[in-house]
Amino acid sequence: DQQVKQNSPSLSVQEGRISILNCDYTNSMFDYFLWYKKYPAEGPTFLISISSIKDKNEDGRFTVFLNKSAKHLSLHIVPSQPGDSAVYFCAASPNTGNQFYFGTGTSLTVIP
Amino acid sequence: ETGVTQSPTHLIKTRGQQVTLRCSSQSGHNTVSWYQQALGQGPQFIFQYYREEENGRGNFPPRFSGLQFPNYSSELNVNALELDDSALYLCASSRETGYRSPLHFGNGTRLTVT
Repeated sequence: DQQVKQNSPSLSVQEGRISILNCDYTNSMFDYFLWYKKYPAEGPTFLISISSIKDKNEDGRFTVFLNKSAKHLSLHIVPSQPGDSAVYFCAASPNTGNQFYFGTGTSLTVIP
Repeated sequence: ETGVTQSPTHLIKTRGQQVTLRCSSQSGHNTVSWYQQALGQGPQFIFQYYREEENGRGNFPPRFSGLQFPNYSSELNVNALELDDSALYLCASSRETGYRSPLHFGNGTRLTVT
């Protein structure tokens, strides 16, 4: 039972344009959400997080949006750079317990 | 600041054998979680250790076990290896147990079971 879903396995964007990565979840108990970036042969690197009391969090070129009613979050990268090419995972955690549930990832390619 | 380190990086084992994977947590972190990432999937929670005790477990059988040591380093042990155990095993440390602390991952151990 996949509680966090990333329905786009891959995404290609031109350098300098916006990249939008999407994530949907089914568990209404999730209240803390994170995005990770993963390069080949490396572990996932934490990018940005958001709690359910907010609908937007920004950190430099990265912004995460949360739509609780739709159970949807998205990561915007502006402007996209070739070094952003990686696999991006969204993850969620419920207000009880201590595990994170991950999506299956979206592979982003930024074309120079 | 020293990050999360895992050893070995790669391992090949035969079905039925036992394996031990090791992890050193990031300095200042006292909680360690282990995740399994199968090919094409996202990481799946195995268990978490806090204060040397298991502090939550995912949907994995008892042949997956672990330890945490006083210096917060950790081991993952898997007995009676099965072919489906072939995966990337990720260790992650965090500053405290609790869901509002981001996980910081190591580079993983790639386990192949033949």
